[in-house]
Amino acid sequence: GQSLEQPSEVTAVEGAIVQINCTYQTSGFYGLSWYQQHDGGAPTFLSYNALDGLEETGRFSSFLSRSDSYGYLLLQELQMKDSASYFCAASGNTDKLIFGTGTRLQVFP
Amino acid sequence: DVKVTQSSRYLVKRTGEKVFLECVQDMDHENMFWYRQDPGLGLRLIYFSYDVKMKEKGDIPEGYSVSREKKERFSLILESASTNQTSMYLCASSFRAGSSYEQYFGPGTRLTVT
Repeated sequence: GQSLEQPSEVTAVEGAIVQINCTYQTSGFYGLSWYQQHDGGAPTFLSYNALDGLEETGRFSSFLSRSDSYGYLLLQELQMKDSASYFCAASGNTDKLIFGTGTRLQVFP
Repeated sequence: DVKVTQSSRYLVKRTGEKVFLECVQDMDHENMFWYRQDPGLGLRLIYFSYDVKMKEKGDIPEGYSVSREKKERFSLILESASTNQTSMYLCASSFRAGSSYEQYFGPGTRLTVT
């Protein structure tokens, strides 16, 4: 079957760096997306990796290794507002996204 | 900015009722999606549509149907609501085929079936 695995919860303090890992098992894999969802809010798109390597967007970076079926989201200089759930999602040749179960990030002062 | 709106934020229905959830996007996107989100299960795809009057089943279509008569509007229908359909329902859209990796979500409808 198709599945993505990510940790259920991660905690960190303000100013720190945190990495949220995602391993996937999907057929017809094209790329890996990351979404952020605050409590009570809608998921919002953060990044997409179609090629191996690191993509940087401000404080957030995303990494993909196709050979390892693995990716991660790296959040630097953590802020309280980064407390949210983060989802990885795999896209493929069916134009559907398969979402992971989400990682809840709690940032403490 | 892309805007995806959903008809209700909160909805309470009785078992057996027919329920309509409406979604509208204003960016001329070709693809539209319906998900349900439950704690610990992430987002699960119910149905999606890549064009007017076209639909594809997602991973959990049982008990649901959809309608897309106009490009901007995608409706989710619960033919006979059941308590196990109590959930958060999220609508999303993406630009066109091949761009589903970047989806824009509506605020969600929290449906309670009693």
